[in-house]
Amino acid sequence: GENVEQHPSTLSVQEGDSAVIKCTYSDSASNYFPWYKQELGKGPQLIIDIRSNVGEKKDQRIAVTLNKTAKHFSLHITETQPEDSAVYFCAVHGSSNTGKLIFGQGTTLQVKP
Amino acid sequence: GAGVSQSPSNKVTEKGKDVELRCDPISGHTALYWYRQRLGQGLEFLIYFQGNSAPDKSGLPSDRFSAERTGESVSTLTIQRTQQEDSAVYLCASSSRGGGNTGELFFGEGSRLTVL
Repeated sequence: GENVEQHPSTLSVQEGDSAVIKCTYSDSASNYFPWYKQELGKGPQLIIDIRSNVGEKKDQRIAVTLNKTAKHFSLHITETQPEDSAVYFCAVHGSSNTGKLIFGQGTTLQVKP
Repeated sequence: GAGVSQSPSNKVTEKGKDVELRCDPISGHTALYWYRQRLGQGLEFLIYFQGNSAPDKSGLPSDRFSAERTGESVSTLTIQRTQQEDSAVYLCASSSRGGGNTGELFFGEGSRLTVL
């Protein structure tokens, strides 16, 4: 089945710096790659997603890049703010007709003021 | 409109007891997911329902775990003969899109299960 690896597991940056989180996947037919943000005590929320026919997508301070050849995709957060502190999860949807999403292990991002 | 609602929010039970967790998805959402999240860890897929299709049960860890969904509404996740390693937050999510056109999942706040 699909295997998703996420790195780093923890990331600490100064306010205003950029943060990058990377995920690799195993199924070359995977076609949908969302990123979720989880704040303490809450369920994850979608922050950005990308489909396999696009190489990059940007939404204000957040961007996602996809390299299908290398089977990895990355989340980029620029001008980080303390409220960006949370756990971030990547996820992968495989090529089958099932809607199953496989999540990475998560990255705890701390933005220091 | 209301989001995904899960109950109970917290459940403490004794080892060996059965528990039932409930999920009310967003109205009209055909896809429903259950995930398990152990403390400080990622989301572990358990089961996926899409409309009237047969559910994808490939993530259920043992035959003590089962889930049902009535049509496109409420779902219950049942854990029989609970064990301490079942302690986790159980997250439910629903989506208006599924199958090969999977889109945004809307998560509830989870049911925290503690098995003593």
